Amino acid sequence: QVQLQQSGAELAKPGSSVKISCKASGYTFTSYYISWIKQTTGQGLEYIGYINTGSGGTNYNEKFKGKATLTVDKSSSTAFMQLSSLTPDDSAVYYCARRPYGFDYWGQGVMVTVSS
Amino acid sequence: DIQLTQSPSTLPASLGERVTISCRASQSISNSLNWYQQKPDGTVKRLIYSTSTLESGVPSRFSGSGSGTDYSLSISSLESEDFAMYYCLQYATYPWTFGGGTKLELK
Repeated sequence: QVQLQQSGAELAKPGSSVKISCKASGYTFTSYYISWIKQTTGQGLEYIGYINTGSGGTNYNEKFKGKATLTVDKSSSTAFMQLSSLTPDDSAVYYCARRPYGFDYWGQGVMVTVSS
Repeated sequence: DIQLTQSPSTLPASLGERVTISCRASQSISNSLNWYQQKPDGTVKRLIYSTSTLESGVPSRFSGSGSGTDYSLSISSLESEDFAMYYCLQYATYPWTFGGGTKLELK
């Protein structure tokens, strides 16, 4: 069965970076793009962007350019998202999700807390 | 960006009741509209894709309809496991956007 297993919760200081992972199983990793979504109480669900897991090509929501960097490791069927120059506004739950037709399968989410 | 206005934001309902959630887009999205259910533990599940196609394994009491800018999700007879958050998603135009959510709660 398709599973997207995300890494654990992160507590980070303002100005630092975090890198969260999304390990896929149950399907051919390079056949489906992986997208990332941010969820906060105030802003709801926001689309961050996607990565082509075969080529490594990326597409970002303008709002998250410079904030998020998406990468993949095909050898381990894992997608990564690095968030840089963290501020309290980056505190959220972050999900990875598989395309097509929007998103079909989602990871369980990772809570990132930015606090000094 | 395309705005999705979901209503109501909260929907009190009883077991066995039929309910409908609306999602209105700021421009036509050509049936590129999905519905998702989110449980309190954060688990997200796709219910409907491309406006009206039921995801495999999703009970037939869920249905979707719509066209152009107006879409809806209906649940024909509420069961206890249906009380959750529901979101619509448009994937017609980047950046893909979500509705603000509907909390379906027990009356």
